[in-house]
Amino acid sequence: DAGVIQSPRHEVTEMGQEVTLRCKPISGHDYLFWYRQTMMRGLELLIYFNNNVPIDDSGMPEDRFSAKMPNASFSTLKIQPSEPRDSAVYFCASSFRGKSRTDTQYFGPGTRLTVL
Amino acid sequence: GENVEQHPSTLSVQEGDSAVIKCTYSDSASNYFPWYKQELGKGPQLIIDIRSNVGEKKDQRIAVTLNKTAKHFSLHITETQPEDSAVYFCAARILTGGGNKLTFGTGTQLKVEL
Repeated sequence: DAGVIQSPRHEVTEMGQEVTLRCKPISGHDYLFWYRQTMMRGLELLIYFNNNVPIDDSGMPEDRFSAKMPNASFSTLKIQPSEPRDSAVYFCASSFRGKSRTDTQYFGPGTRLTVL
Repeated sequence: GENVEQHPSTLSVQEGDSAVIKCTYSDSASNYFPWYKQELGKGPQLIIDIRSNVGEKKDQRIAVTLNKTAKHFSLHITETQPEDSAVYFCAARILTGGGNKLTFGTGTQLKVEL
């Protein structure tokens, strides 16, 4: 398997613009997670889905952020309008709920977002 | 909610020496503790994990220990090599009834010097 795929790998945009980050989870996985990583705040969970349904979005910073999972093989994280403080590396991860329930999360390579 | 503290934030060791990274957690209900390694430009990758019904687990040069009473767990790397240089994250989770949220520590930058 190719692992979790994220696009784009790098995104530079200007304040106020809309940004869409994309993720393709590992085939067969039933959980998908979006994280944000910054030096100041570390790894923060933004939202996660189970079988394409959002389960917990308590980490989403504000209404400017939205996430969707229209099917089992695709998810988007959208920021509109973007602000300089949104600059970070955004990771997508996926996992499979097995009998052990440890659900190892497999992370994608991340999207480095810079908002000027 | 769960809070995980991790120390030290940076660690420099000589090749061949051992490295120890320590974490504490706040929620006594947490019962699953994975460790992730993040290399430069990549996403975190699971390297070892431990459940609360086990006090220690080893996998070649890495081991994790857990003290449930003190709510401490630690990562031990022996015979460190340059390829061990990376950022290491501890995490905690409740396996059942706690959703599927991992709470991560703040990370430790490990540098193995030749």
